Amino acid sequence: QKEVEQDPGPLSVPEGAIVSLNCTYSNSAFQYFMWYRQYSRKGPELLMYTYSSGNKEDGRFTAQVDKSSKYISLFIRDSQPSDSATYLCAMTEISGGSNYKLTFGKGTLLTVNP
Amino acid sequence: DGGITQSPKYLFRKEGQNVTLSCEQNLNHDAMYWYRQDPGQGLRLIYYSQIVNDFQKGDIAEGYSVSREKKESFPLTVTSAQKNPTAFYLCASKRGGRSNQPQHFGDGTRLSIL
Repeated sequence: QKEVEQDPGPLSVPEGAIVSLNCTYSNSAFQYFMWYRQYSRKGPELLMYTYSSGNKEDGRFTAQVDKSSKYISLFIRDSQPSDSATYLCAMTEISGGSNYKLTFGKGTLLTVNP
Repeated sequence: DGGITQSPKYLFRKEGQNVTLSCEQNLNHDAMYWYRQDPGQGLRLIYYSQIVNDFQKGDIAEGYSVSREKKESFPLTVTSAQKNPTAFYLCASKRGGRSNQPQHFGDGTRLSIL
């Protein structure tokens, strides 16, 4: 079983839709969770950074963490064509020297159609 | 503006040639990272450095070398020993080598074989 599983998509939605992106993980030591957005031929851009279970909201984006189920989600409300990108989840442990290392999902390609 | 600058944006390597990718940051970050991104494979860690004059191998270090002589610079050399160097290379940095701060990325260098 891979450490982080993320459906690669592609996911295509109409403008204005609510988008749900998800990752599951197997390592219970993961404590910090991130979502990055990556446009074509660009580097990943940090969207959300969370630690605890629960929800964190930033504008149209909500990150949700359920540590008991080892499941994280990113919701995008009122999706726009400019949200079309690949979304990467990433996570890291808290303890010792291993907190240098981010473990990434493979990314979900999202297209928002006008 | 603070950020991470990677150069060149595109690079071509001949057989048997070593090439060096540049990564410079003016964020005063302690830790710097190099990742390789291949289609369908996600990001894989090549090397990382948590402090000047110190660096460690990541998951796929064979055929690569790095140096960290200055806090703001972390160049990556792709040597002729790397038999499959065609990929998108991403440099990242974060505040505090062993902190739980998120990593921030540059816009990448795309390396191809001539």
